[in-house]
Amino acid sequence: DAKTTQPNSMESNEEEPVHLPCNHSTISGTDYIHWYRQLPSQGPEYVIHGLTSNVNNRMASLAIAEDRKSSTLILHRATLRDAAVYYCILRATLYNNNDMRFGAGTRLTVKP
Amino acid sequence: EAGVAQSPRYKIIEKRQSVAFWCNPISGHATLYWYQQILGQGPKLLIQFQNNGVVDDSQLPKDRFSAERLKGVDSTLKIQPAKLEDSAVYLCASSLRTGGNSPLHFGNGTRLTVT
Repeated sequence: DAKTTQPNSMESNEEEPVHLPCNHSTISGTDYIHWYRQLPSQGPEYVIHGLTSNVNNRMASLAIAEDRKSSTLILHRATLRDAAVYYCILRATLYNNNDMRFGAGTRLTVKP
Repeated sequence: EAGVAQSPRYKIIEKRQSVAFWCNPISGHATLYWYQQILGQGPKLLIQFQNNGVVDDSQLPKDRFSAERLKGVDSTLKIQPAKLEDSAVYLCASSLRTGGNSPLHFGNGTRLTVT
């Protein structure tokens, strides 16, 4: 069973910011939060990950709640190429049954 | 760097036949994963290797599925005999090391159709 919950779908307009939420209430203190996205007919692609502090990279930003029970992936300016299924998963530092379990993800539609 | 390579890209077999999938991870990556992705669902972890040892195979249907990672590099996943419900994309992923701070890198998968 997935240890994260995400909305099934979201829509965005091109060139606007997108905030994709994820709940992970059973997260352990040593679990990292990872985000991946999957385009049609491709394997998932790594986007970003973090432990406690907010993180930025060239693709996106990750905002992590203070209690770590939720996080938000932020795409600053959505493009048509960002239309994909986005997955939030937990990656354990010390192995546990949270590790690497995908849910159904959020299907992001970007409108021109 | 070269990505995770998987073959074949597509496979069609009849039920009760056998099939094998091959994965070559990124060079130097110690951890390797096999996932099953049924249409419309997220990937389901089947088995995780650390070098050539199994870390987690709790979700692998061991009566018909088997996997090995020879010499801690390439890996094969086998299904024998296949059932209709095994139709899915089989994804291989690797990471430099185990642990939360090491991202996964996925191949593009093998799409299996069982008729």
